[in-house]
Amino acid sequence: DARVTQTPRHKVTEMGQEVTMRCQPILGHNTVFWYRQTMMQGLELLAYFRNRAPLDDSGMPKDRFSAEMPDATLATLKIQPSEPRDSAVYFCASGYTVTYNEQFFGPGTRLTVL
Amino acid sequence: AQKITQTQPGMFVQEKEAVTLDCTYDTSDQSYGLFWYKQPSSGEMIFLIYQGSYDEQNATEGRYSLNFQKARKSANLVISASQLGDSAMYFCAMREPDSGTYKYIFGTGTRLKVLA
Repeated sequence: DARVTQTPRHKVTEMGQEVTMRCQPILGHNTVFWYRQTMMQGLELLAYFRNRAPLDDSGMPKDRFSAEMPDATLATLKIQPSEPRDSAVYFCASGYTVTYNEQFFGPGTRLTVL
Repeated sequence: AQKITQTQPGMFVQEKEAVTLDCTYDTSDQSYGLFWYKQPSSGEMIFLIYQGSYDEQNATEGRYSLNFQKARKSANLVISASQLGDSAMYFCAMREPDSGTYKYIFGTGTRLKVLA
């Protein structure tokens, strides 16, 4: 049963600390999306990749957020330095451009910045 | 401007009855896709149903059907025979072409509560 995995599932950190979230897309998928979900803003697209190349990261605060795909099996989202307003659930999703259908979501990382 | 609009923040439905969750969208592309996802209280996002812009038939998946009205740009989700386990947040989403790939835009969601 292929699934998107995300680590950690929960993270509590103090303001100013670096946070790294990891995502393993489903094997064979060539697109990866990062979303942030908050009560106030709903589900926001932060960045996405196709074949490991970043296509759009306009949804991310550039000064503190960065997203990368070091290889086809790993996507990372970093926040440095973290702020309380970054507290949210961060979802990774992967898909395959040939089928163009649904994205498969990971379980999310719940981030709390104190 | 909102590209996906879900006007119902919350809905109630009696168990075993049908319920329709509204979704309207805005796009100038001819090729696009429409999706519904369910998010239960546990937090995961579960794919429910997909409708392509060129599909002539309304999509159906078990108790879920998508009422696709292209001219009105609406893609309402119909859940038949509601069950208590259907209580969740429901998101409508649109996939549209962007930079050689596809971008997904989500609505603000509708919280459905099924009453026993």
